[in-house]
Amino acid sequence: NAGVTQTPKFQVLKTGQSMTLQCAQDMNHNSMYWYRQDPGMGLRLIYYSASEGTTDKGEVPNGYNVSRLNKREFSLRLESAAPSQTSVYFCASSTSGQGWETQYFGPGTRLLVL
Amino acid sequence: AQSVSQHNHHVILSEAASLELGCNYSYGGTVNLFWYVQYPGQHLQLLLKYFSGDPLVKGIKGFEAEFIKSKFSFNLRKPSVQWSDTAEYFCAVNAHNQGGKLIFGQGTELSVKP
Repeated sequence: NAGVTQTPKFQVLKTGQSMTLQCAQDMNHNSMYWYRQDPGMGLRLIYYSASEGTTDKGEVPNGYNVSRLNKREFSLRLESAAPSQTSVYFCASSTSGQGWETQYFGPGTRLLVL
Repeated sequence: AQSVSQHNHHVILSEAASLELGCNYSYGGTVNLFWYVQYPGQHLQLLLKYFSGDPLVKGIKGFEAEFIKSKFSFNLRKPSVQWSDTAEYFCAVNAHNQGGKLIFGQGTELSVKP
């Protein structure tokens, strides 16, 4: 039982390049989330998927797209990376998206955009 | 817009000292409240949460937090810290009508000197 896994662990991009961050969970959770963590700003929600087939914007969705590929996988895509997207990205999942539920986090992807 | 404020950005304590980390939120309705912790090199994980009932909640590793509705606060406490408590601590709030969306505070880095 690996919990929430993310790939890659670290990535360097040039401005304008695109990439997809992958996330998978093996806990049979319905809801999944993407956050970014920046120094002094905590974690901010980018997008979330309450259930398979649905996605919604969070606090900071601009410059990102997501795909809920199936129940297990939730990917985050940067179409044209910008230096402002340099951050640590965390994926999380929870049972059914109820507000009181614990969210389980992955190890993070550290992204540097030059 | 909802917000969460953690007053202490970096706290340095000696082992056996008492700890209190402040967390205040701005939202007038019903909330679910969380403290998450990120130990060095580890995933973000739940420390404790409040969603109903006794406003004094106990979590793992001897931590507790008290929800004071009139003060919009959810401060984290531990009577005697250990070196192994060195970590970054995040307060998070969920509003009852927001599904699983969490708003995080900026985080507090705790360093415990042996």
